[in-house]
Parts: sequence; structure tokens; C-alpha cells
Amino acid sequence: DAGVIQSPRHEVTEMGQEVTLRCKPISGHDYLFWYRQTMMRGLELLIYFNNNVPIDDSGMPEDRFSAKMPNASFSTLKIQPSEPRDSAVYFCASNKWASGASEQYFGPGTRLTVT
Amino acid sequence: SQQGEEDPQALSIQEGENATMNCSYKTSINNLQWYRQNSGRGLVHLILIRSNEREKHSGRLRVTLDTSKKSSSLLITASRAADTASYFCADMEYGNKLVFGAGTILRVKS
Repeated sequence: DAGVIQSPRHEVTEMGQEVTLRCKPISGHDYLFWYRQTMMRGLELLIYFNNNVPIDDSGMPEDRFSAKMPNASFSTLKIQPSEPRDSAVYFCASNKWASGASEQYFGPGTRLTVT
Repeated sequence: SQQGEEDPQALSIQEGENATMNCSYKTSINNLQWYRQNSGRGLVHLILIRSNEREKHSGRLRVTLDTSKKSSSLLITASRAADTASYFCADMEYGNKLVFGAGTILRVKS
């Protein structure tokens, strides 16, 4: 398997613009997670889906952030409008739930810079 | 939600030495996982230790779990330059949700 695929790998945009990050999870996985990593706040869970349904979006910072998972093989994280404080590395991860605990498989991340 | 606390924040050792990293949580600790992140990359799962286990080994990795102290440690023996990375612990908060620690930056000098 190719692993979790994210695109783009790097995104530079100006404040106020819309940004869309994309993720393709590993085939057969039923959970998908979006994380944000910054030096100040570390690795934060933004939202996660189970079978394409959002389960917990309590980590989404504000209404400017939205995430969708229209099917089992694709998810998007959208920021509109973007702000400089959104600059971070955004990771997508997926796994297949197993009783008790399951390792998560991370994508390579999208480095977002908002100027 | 709680975040795991890791210490040290950074660790620099010579190749061949052992490296120990610690992780603790304020509330209960459940099924704990350790991940490695190389610079500019995504996280990679290293090892999972379940709440009913006390110690687990995987190659040069040894993980211990003390649920009464709400803490875990990761030992890397005979370190190599390629072990240079950030290491994160992650506990299952509920369901399939992980809460990550702040991470330990390990530098192994050759």
C-alpha cells in the first residue's frame, strides 16, 4: 500500500485566501484523523471521522476550519479565510479500529505558510 | 483533554549509549503508544503497551508502563545516529482518540 497520501506537501498563501488540504487514507481503514503541529502547541487533534462520519470536532479551532469526508478514500480540511496563525504542519492519519488500541498511520504532512 | 508530559525535552548522547525518555499524564493512563518523527516527516508508530502490561520489548526498544504512577518510559539501547528524531508518547483518551505528549528531541552524535 502507498500509505496515507496528502497533498499538497507545501502551501504558501496570503492571509484571507481559502486553503484546501487533501488526504487519501490507507485502503480499508475506517478512521481518519486530522492533526495540526506547531512548535508552540505541539501535536493537536483537530477532528476525526469513523466510516466517513465526523465523530469529534472539538479540536477545530474556529468556524474558519471545516473538514469533510465524502467517501472512504478522500477527505479535505479547508481553512477560509486563512490567517498567519494558521501556519503549521497539518497531518492526516488513518487506522482500522481494533479492540483496545490501534496504531495510527500518518501521512507526510502539508506544511502551510500563511503570509 | 489532558496532554502528556515528556521529559527530558531534549537529549543528546553519543552513539552506542542508551537513551531513556519518560512520559506522564495527570489523569489515568490507558493503552499507551510511542511514535517517532524524523525531521520533516510524519509520525511512525514504534510500540503499543496495553494497560494490563508492564513491560514490552521490540528490537532495541524497551517500554515500561506504571499505571499507578500514570507514567511510561521508552529506552533505546545501543543508540545509532539514525535514531536521531523526536519521540512522542500518546495515550488513548477514549474510543480511538489519542492524546500526544509534547515530545522528546533525541540527538545521537556519531
